[in-house]
Amino acid sequence: LAKTTQPISMDSYEGQEVNITCSHNNIATNDYITWYQQFPSQGPRFIIQGYKTKVTNEVASLFIPADRKSSTLSLPRVSLSDTAVYYCLVGTLRVGYSTLTFGKGTMLLVSP
Amino acid sequence: EAQVTQNPRYLITVTGKKLTVTCSQNMNHEYMSWYRQDPGLGLRQIYYSMNVEVTDKGDVPEGYKVSRKEKRNFPLILESPSPNQTSLYFCASSTGTGTINQPQHFGDGTRLSIL
Repeated sequence: LAKTTQPISMDSYEGQEVNITCSHNNIATNDYITWYQQFPSQGPRFIIQGYKTKVTNEVASLFIPADRKSSTLSLPRVSLSDTAVYYCLVGTLRVGYSTLTFGKGTMLLVSP
Repeated sequence: EAQVTQNPRYLITVTGKKLTVTCSQNMNHEYMSWYRQDPGLGLRQIYYSMNVEVTDKGDVPEGYKVSRKEKRNFPLILESPSPNQTSLYFCASSTGTGTINQPQHFGDGTRLSIL
C-alpha cells in the first residue's frame, strides 16, 4: 500500500497562494491521487484528483511530477473559509481490490 | 439531494453492549466504505463493499462487522464494543470502480464513546 506523508500544519494569510505537498514514494502504477477537504464536524469533501502532470478545476490545482512520488495541492488566493484539514489519498479501486490510503492530514489555518 | 446519511450522529454506550451504526446513500452507488478517524492517525478504512453481498476488510477491521444486503445500506456492527473503539466514524460511497477512482461522498460522521 502506498504510504503518504503530509505536513501536520500550515499557516497562511488571506489572498495568498497555498501549496500543500504529499509524499507517496511507493505509489503503484494504477494508483490515483485524490485530495479531500474536511471542516470540523463534517465528513471529508472531494477537491481534486489526478494521475500525472497537472490538473486544474474551479477551486484548486494538482501538480504531479513525472516520477509521481509526490503531489502538490495548490489553493490560489485562500480565504478564511479555506481553514480546514486537507487529506491526500493515494490508491486504486477496482472490482475485488482496494488499496486506498489516506494521509494523516494537513491542518491549514488562514488568518486575516 | 444526493447524500450519505449516518445514524446515530452521537452515541455513548458501555463495553460489551452490541450496537449498529446505519449508513444509507441515495445515489445508487456501488462502492461503500467505513472509516474511523482518530487524533493524529487520520482516516483509516475499516471495511468496504464493492457491491451487494461483496465486502472486504480494510486496514483496521478487528472488532467490527458489516453487511451489504441492499445497495443503498451498509451498516457497521460492533458486536462487543470496547473503549478502544471510541472514535469518530465516517461512511462513504462512490459510483463504482472501473479503471478510474471515483470521488467518495462522505456522511457527516458518528461519534461513538464506549465507556
